[in-house]
Amino acid sequence: AQKITQTQPGMFVQEKEAVTLDCTYDTSDPSYGLFWYKQPSSGEMIFLIYQGSYDQQNATEGRYSLNFQKARKSANLVISASQLGDSAMYFCAMREGRDNYGQNFVFGPGTRLSVLP
Amino acid sequence: NAGVTQTPKFRILKIGQSMTLQCAQDMNHNYMYWYRQDPGMGLKLIYYSVGAGITDKGEVPNGYNVSRSTTEDFPLRLELAAPSQTSVYFCASSPISVGTNYGYTFGSGTRLTVV
Repeated sequence: AQKITQTQPGMFVQEKEAVTLDCTYDTSDPSYGLFWYKQPSSGEMIFLIYQGSYDQQNATEGRYSLNFQKARKSANLVISASQLGDSAMYFCAMREGRDNYGQNFVFGPGTRLSVLP
Repeated sequence: NAGVTQTPKFRILKIGQSMTLQCAQDMNHNYMYWYRQDPGMGLKLIYYSVGAGITDKGEVPNGYNVSRSTTEDFPLRLELAAPSQTSVYFCASSPISVGTNYGYTFGSGTRLTVV
C-alpha cells in the first residue's frame, strides 16, 4: 500500500497566483514527520518545509505553508504568489516514528508544477 | 560547507560493466542513503547505513552493493550493469534525529545510462 499519495501528476498555475499541491499519507504511528522537497530541472533535491505530527500550528516558511489536516491525513503544500522559478517537481515525504533511519522515510511520486507567465 | 558530494555527475555504461558511484558527506552525519529515481517517478531506497560498518537493504537492492568503512563515505557499487539500472542516483545523509525537523541533505545526483 502506498504510504504517500500525490494525486496530481501535473499542475499549472498563473504567475503571482497561489497553488495547492495535495499530499495524503498513511501511517498508524502516532509520531511522524511530513516534509516537502522541490526538485527543479537541474535535478537537486531542496528541502522546503516540515510538519511534525504533534505540531499544533501549520508550518510556514516564507511563501510556503503546509495545510496539515491530521484527521484526514493530509499535508498539502500551499505556495503563495507563484514565481516562474517555482516550476519544478515537488515531493511529499513522511518519516514514521521519531527516527530518520532507513525505511522509516518514504517519498511520494511527486507533482510537476508549471508556472505560466 | 560541501554537504553531500556525489561523483560522477554523468556516466554511460555498457551492459555487463561495473562501476562505483561515490558519495561523501562532511557534516558528520550518522545516517546515509542511496536512492534511485526513474524518469517521472519518485525516489526508491536502495541501501542505507546507520554508521561505519553497518548497512541494510532498502526497497530495491538487487544488482547493487554498498560499504561504509568510514562515517564520511558511502559508495554504491553496480555489478554487471543492466539497462534496468538506467536512472538518476541520489545519495543523502541525515543526523540521528529524534523528533526534529531535520530532513535529508541530498547530493546533486548521478545520471547513469546503461546501453
